[in-house]
Amino acid sequence: ETGVTQSPTHLIKTRGQQVTLRCSSQSGHNTVSWYQQALGQGPQFIFQYYREEENGRGNFPPRFSGLQFPNYSSELNVNALELDDSALYLCASSLTSVAEQYFGPGTRLTVT
Amino acid sequence: DQQVKQNSPSLSVQEGRISILNCDYTNSMFDYFLWYKKYPAEGPTFLISISSIKDKNEDGRFTVFLNKSAKHLSLHIVPSQPGDSAVYFCAASVGSNYQLIWGAGTKLIIKP
Repeated sequence: ETGVTQSPTHLIKTRGQQVTLRCSSQSGHNTVSWYQQALGQGPQFIFQYYREEENGRGNFPPRFSGLQFPNYSSELNVNALELDDSALYLCASSLTSVAEQYFGPGTRLTVT
Repeated sequence: DQQVKQNSPSLSVQEGRISILNCDYTNSMFDYFLWYKKYPAEGPTFLISISSIKDKNEDGRFTVFLNKSAKHLSLHIVPSQPGDSAVYFCAASVGSNYQLIWGAGTKLIIKP
């Protein structure tokens, strides 16, 4: 059974640029959630996708967008990057349950 | 507005003794609580959860206690082992709502 994988591991971007982060969910999981974790804080919910549809969104601006593909992998896109977007971005997959979310190792994004 | 608070950034405990990690919340609508553990360079791993209809849930060395009147939960680890050294997050949700609200985490260090 393959766990949740994320790519890339690290990324450095310049303010104003756009970035795409990728996530492959655990086998059999149809739900993907994305989180932003700033240094010294807990993860903050960005949005969730269930069977290719957005299933809920946290308090993030529209320049944060996502996609889920038929194989349930997912992308997080961030436009017009700001310095405050520097964080660890975590992806979690699940089979609908809130509790049993399986997390990937994250992508560390640095915006300069 | 921190709805879930972990007021101890770190905790040091002797191997074999009990580790007690605390979490307070402000939103009385929360009715499902979870603990996650995170090692460096890995995503969080689900540990144990509790519903608001219970005041205690056990799983091996891990026990979670919920005090609804005080809006407080705690995670007890007995006995503590070196492999328990990690950052522990508590998280909460409203019912089956997908949106987890996380605390900032407590770094647990188990001393040999």
